[in-house]
Amino acid sequence: DAKTTQPNSMESNEEEPVHLPCNHSTISGTDYIHWYRQLPSQGPEYVIHGLTSNVNNRMASLAIAEDRKSSTLILHRATLRDAAVYYCILRYNTGGFKTIFGAGTRLFVKA
Amino acid sequence: DAGVIQSPRHEVTEMGQEVTLRCKPISGHNSLFWYRQTMMRGLELLIYFNNNVPIDDSGMPEDRFSAKMPNASFSTLKIQPSEPRDSAVYFCASSPGEGVRTNEKLFFGSGTQLSVL
Repeated sequence: DAKTTQPNSMESNEEEPVHLPCNHSTISGTDYIHWYRQLPSQGPEYVIHGLTSNVNNRMASLAIAEDRKSSTLILHRATLRDAAVYYCILRYNTGGFKTIFGAGTRLFVKA
Repeated sequence: DAGVIQSPRHEVTEMGQEVTLRCKPISGHNSLFWYRQTMMRGLELLIYFNNNVPIDDSGMPEDRFSAKMPNASFSTLKIQPSEPRDSAVYFCASSPGEGVRTNEKLFFGSGTQLSVL
Protein backbone atom coordinates (compact mmCIF):
# COMPACT_ATOMS: atom_id res chain seq x y z
CA ASP A 1 0.00 0.00 0.00
CA ALA A 2 1.17 3.48 -0.83
CA LYS A 3 2.13 5.24 2.39
CA THR A 4 2.69 8.76 3.59
CA THR A 5 5.04 10.10 6.24
CA GLN A 6 4.26 13.16 8.31
CA PRO A 7 5.79 14.75 11.42
CA ASN A 8 3.96 13.76 14.58
CA SER A 9 3.31 17.32 15.65
CA MET A 10 3.93 20.95 14.75
CA GLU A 11 3.38 24.23 16.47
CA SER A 12 2.41 27.59 15.06
CA ASN A 13 1.57 31.05 16.26
CA GLU A 14 -1.83 32.47 15.55
CA GLU A 15 -2.13 34.47 12.33
CA GLU A 16 1.14 33.11 10.98
CA PRO A 17 1.43 30.78 7.97
CA VAL A 18 1.83 27.07 8.59
CA HIS A 19 3.53 24.62 6.25
CA LEU A 20 2.65 20.99 6.93
CA PRO A 21 4.93 18.57 5.05
CA CYS A 22 4.15 15.09 3.76
CA ASN A 23 6.41 12.54 2.09
CA HIS A 24 4.95 9.96 -0.27
CA SER A 25 7.93 8.51 -2.10
CA THR A 26 6.04 5.43 -3.34
CA ILE A 27 3.29 7.41 -5.03
CA SER A 28 2.23 6.19 -8.43
CA GLY A 29 1.07 8.17 -11.42
CA THR A 30 -2.66 7.91 -10.78
CA ASP A 31 -2.65 8.49 -7.04
CA TYR A 32 -4.30 11.67 -5.86
CA ILE A 33 -2.91 13.44 -2.80
CA HIS A 34 -5.64 14.35 -0.33
CA TRP A 35 -5.54 16.26 2.93
CA TYR A 36 -8.09 15.91 5.66
CA ARG A 37 -8.17 17.32 9.14
CA GLN A 38 -9.84 16.13 12.31
CA LEU A 39 -10.94 18.54 14.97
CA PRO A 40 -11.40 17.22 18.52
CA SER A 41 -14.41 14.91 18.88
CA GLN A 42 -15.31 15.20 15.20
CA GLY A 43 -14.93 13.13 12.09
CA PRO A 44 -12.26 13.98 9.54
CA GLU A 45 -13.15 16.74 7.13
CA TYR A 46 -11.85 17.32 3.64
CA VAL A 47 -9.34 20.11 3.18
CA ILE A 48 -7.88 19.89 -0.32
CA HIS A 49 -6.57 17.48 -2.94
CA GLY A 50 -4.41 17.48 -6.06
CA LEU A 51 -2.65 15.34 -8.61
CA THR A 52 0.28 17.25 -10.09
CA SER A 53 -0.36 20.98 -10.01
CA ASN A 54 -0.54 23.23 -6.98
CA VAL A 55 -4.08 23.83 -5.76
CA ASN A 56 -5.77 26.60 -3.82
CA ASN A 57 -9.13 26.77 -2.11
CA ARG A 58 -10.72 28.84 0.61
CA MET A 59 -9.24 26.66 3.35
CA ALA A 60 -5.67 26.12 2.24
CA SER A 61 -3.14 25.68 -0.53
CA LEU A 62 -1.46 22.47 -1.63
CA ALA A 63 2.04 22.57 -3.07
CA ILE A 64 3.10 19.38 -4.84
CA ALA A 65 6.73 18.66 -5.63
CA GLU A 66 7.64 18.23 -9.28
CA ASP A 67 8.49 14.54 -8.75
CA ARG A 68 5.31 14.15 -6.64
CA LYS A 69 7.22 12.41 -3.88
CA SER A 70 6.28 15.09 -1.39
CA SER A 71 3.68 17.77 -0.82
CA THR A 72 3.01 20.62 1.59
CA LEU A 73 -0.28 21.86 2.97
CA ILE A 74 -0.19 25.59 3.54
CA LEU A 75 -2.49 27.37 5.95
CA HIS A 76 -1.97 31.02 5.14
CA ARG A 77 -3.01 32.41 8.51
CA ALA A 78 -3.42 29.92 11.31
CA THR A 79 -6.23 30.49 13.76
CA LEU A 80 -6.99 28.73 17.02
CA ARG A 81 -9.75 26.86 15.20
CA ASP A 82 -7.13 25.28 12.92
CA ALA A 83 -5.73 23.25 15.81
CA ALA A 84 -6.38 19.69 14.66
CA VAL A 85 -4.78 16.51 13.35
CA TYR A 86 -3.96 16.87 9.66
CA TYR A 87 -3.85 13.75 7.52
CA CYS A 88 -2.06 13.47 4.21
CA ILE A 89 -3.37 10.46 2.30
CA LEU A 90 -3.13 8.88 -1.10
CA ARG A 91 -6.25 7.67 -2.82
CA TYR A 92 -5.76 4.89 -5.30
CA ASN A 93 -7.61 2.06 -6.91
CA THR A 94 -5.97 -1.30 -7.31
CA GLY A 95 -9.07 -3.24 -8.18
CA GLY A 96 -10.48 -2.22 -4.84
CA PHE A 97 -10.78 1.29 -3.60
CA LYS A 98 -8.44 2.31 -0.83
CA THR A 99 -7.93 5.35 1.31
CA ILE A 100 -5.25 4.72 3.88
CA PHE A 101 -4.91 7.19 6.72
CA GLY A 102 -1.55 7.52 8.45
CA ALA A 103 -0.95 8.90 11.92
CA GLY A 104 -1.21 12.51 10.79
CA THR A 105 0.34 15.70 12.17
CA ARG A 106 -1.12 17.26 15.27
CA LEU A 107 -1.04 21.03 14.83
CA PHE A 108 -0.90 23.21 17.92
CA VAL A 109 -1.73 26.89 17.48
CA LYS A 110 -0.60 29.38 20.08
CA ALA A 111 -2.44 32.62 20.72
CA ASP B 1 -27.71 19.33 3.64
CA ALA B 2 -27.68 17.33 6.87
CA GLY B 3 -24.41 15.58 6.16
CA VAL B 4 -23.65 11.98 7.11
CA ILE B 5 -25.72 11.01 10.13
CA GLN B 6 -24.60 8.35 12.56
CA SER B 7 -26.39 6.89 15.52
CA PRO B 8 -26.06 6.41 18.35
CA ARG B 9 -23.42 9.02 19.22
CA HIS B 10 -22.32 6.99 22.22
CA GLU B 11 -22.84 3.32 23.03
CA VAL B 12 -21.86 1.53 26.19
CA THR B 13 -22.42 -2.20 26.34
CA GLU B 14 -21.19 -5.28 28.09
CA MET B 15 -18.94 -7.90 26.61
CA GLY B 16 -20.88 -10.49 24.68
CA GLN B 17 -23.74 -8.22 23.72
CA GLU B 18 -24.71 -7.41 20.17
CA VAL B 19 -24.02 -3.87 19.01
CA THR B 20 -25.53 -2.21 15.95
CA LEU B 21 -24.21 1.08 14.60
CA ARG B 22 -26.22 3.01 12.04
CA CYS B 23 -25.38 5.38 9.25
CA LYS B 24 -27.35 7.53 6.86
CA PRO B 25 -25.18 8.78 3.99
CA ILE B 26 -25.64 12.06 2.19
CA SER B 27 -28.51 11.80 -0.24
CA GLY B 28 -27.32 11.02 -3.75
CA HIS B 29 -23.97 9.63 -2.68
CA ASN B 30 -23.23 6.24 -4.17
CA SER B 31 -20.40 5.04 -1.96
CA LEU B 32 -20.31 4.40 1.76
CA PHE B 33 -17.34 3.62 3.98
CA TRP B 34 -16.99 2.36 7.55
CA TYR B 35 -13.84 3.32 9.49
CA ARG B 36 -12.66 2.53 13.01
CA GLN B 37 -10.39 4.83 14.99
CA THR B 38 -8.30 3.89 18.01
CA MET B 39 -5.30 5.49 19.62
CA MET B 40 -3.12 2.50 18.80
CA ARG B 41 -4.11 1.91 15.18
CA GLY B 42 -5.45 5.27 14.02
CA LEU B 43 -8.11 5.31 11.31
CA GLU B 44 -8.70 1.93 9.69
CA LEU B 45 -10.97 1.26 6.72
CA LEU B 46 -13.24 -1.67 7.58
CA ILE B 47 -15.47 -1.99 4.54
CA TYR B 48 -16.89 0.06 1.71
CA PHE B 49 -19.98 -0.19 -0.45
CA ASN B 50 -20.65 1.09 -3.92
CA ASN B 51 -24.30 1.30 -5.04
CA ASN B 52 -25.27 -0.70 -1.94
CA VAL B 53 -22.95 -3.60 -2.84
CA PRO B 54 -20.00 -4.45 -0.58
CA ILE B 55 -16.86 -4.00 -2.65
CA ASP B 56 -14.02 -4.60 -0.22
CA ASP B 57 -14.39 -5.97 3.29
CA SER B 58 -10.77 -6.93 3.76
CA GLY B 59 -10.49 -4.53 6.67
CA MET B 60 -13.19 -6.21 8.73
CA PRO B 61 -11.27 -7.60 11.69
CA GLU B 62 -13.10 -10.90 12.10
CA ASP B 63 -16.37 -12.73 11.62
CA ARG B 64 -17.90 -11.01 14.61
CA PHE B 65 -18.19 -7.92 12.43
CA SER B 66 -20.76 -7.61 9.68
CA ALA B 67 -22.05 -4.70 7.62
CA LYS B 68 -25.10 -4.27 5.47
CA MET B 69 -26.50 -1.65 3.18
CA PRO B 70 -30.12 -2.60 2.41
CA ASN B 71 -30.76 0.62 0.48
CA ALA B 72 -29.04 3.79 -0.65
CA SER B 73 -29.94 5.72 2.47
CA PHE B 74 -29.04 3.34 5.27
CA SER B 75 -26.21 1.12 6.45
CA THR B 76 -25.46 -0.83 9.61
CA LEU B 77 -22.32 -2.17 11.19
CA LYS B 78 -22.98 -4.99 13.61
CA ILE B 79 -20.66 -6.59 16.16
CA GLN B 80 -21.81 -9.87 17.65
CA PRO B 81 -20.60 -10.74 20.20
CA SER B 82 -18.81 -7.58 21.25
CA GLU B 83 -15.49 -7.62 23.10
CA PRO B 84 -13.63 -4.94 25.07
CA ARG B 85 -11.02 -4.64 22.30
CA ASP B 86 -13.78 -3.44 19.97
CA SER B 87 -13.94 -0.21 21.95
CA ALA B 88 -13.23 2.60 19.49
CA VAL B 89 -14.83 5.42 17.55
CA TYR B 90 -16.56 4.14 14.45
CA PHE B 91 -16.98 6.55 11.56
CA CYS B 92 -19.16 6.32 8.53
CA ALA B 93 -18.31 8.31 5.40
CA SER B 94 -19.95 8.73 2.04
CA SER B 95 -18.73 9.84 -1.33
CA PRO B 96 -20.55 11.08 -4.44
CA GLY B 97 -20.41 9.47 -7.85
CA GLU B 98 -18.97 6.03 -8.11
CA GLY B 99 -16.66 6.45 -5.15
CA VAL B 100 -13.83 4.65 -6.81
CA ARG B 101 -12.54 7.72 -8.57
CA THR B 102 -9.50 8.76 -6.63
CA ASN B 103 -10.22 12.48 -6.84
CA GLU B 104 -13.48 12.29 -4.93
CA LYS B 105 -13.95 13.68 -1.46
CA LEU B 106 -15.07 11.70 1.55
CA PHE B 107 -17.67 13.20 3.85
CA PHE B 108 -17.53 11.84 7.39
CA GLY B 109 -20.15 11.59 10.08
CA SER B 110 -19.51 12.57 13.68
CA GLY B 111 -18.83 8.99 14.70
CA THR B 112 -20.10 6.55 17.31
CA GLN B 113 -18.03 6.19 20.46
CA LEU B 114 -18.32 2.52 21.43
CA SER B 115 -17.28 1.28 24.86
CA VAL B 116 -17.46 -2.44 25.57
CA LEU B 117 -17.07 -3.22 29.25
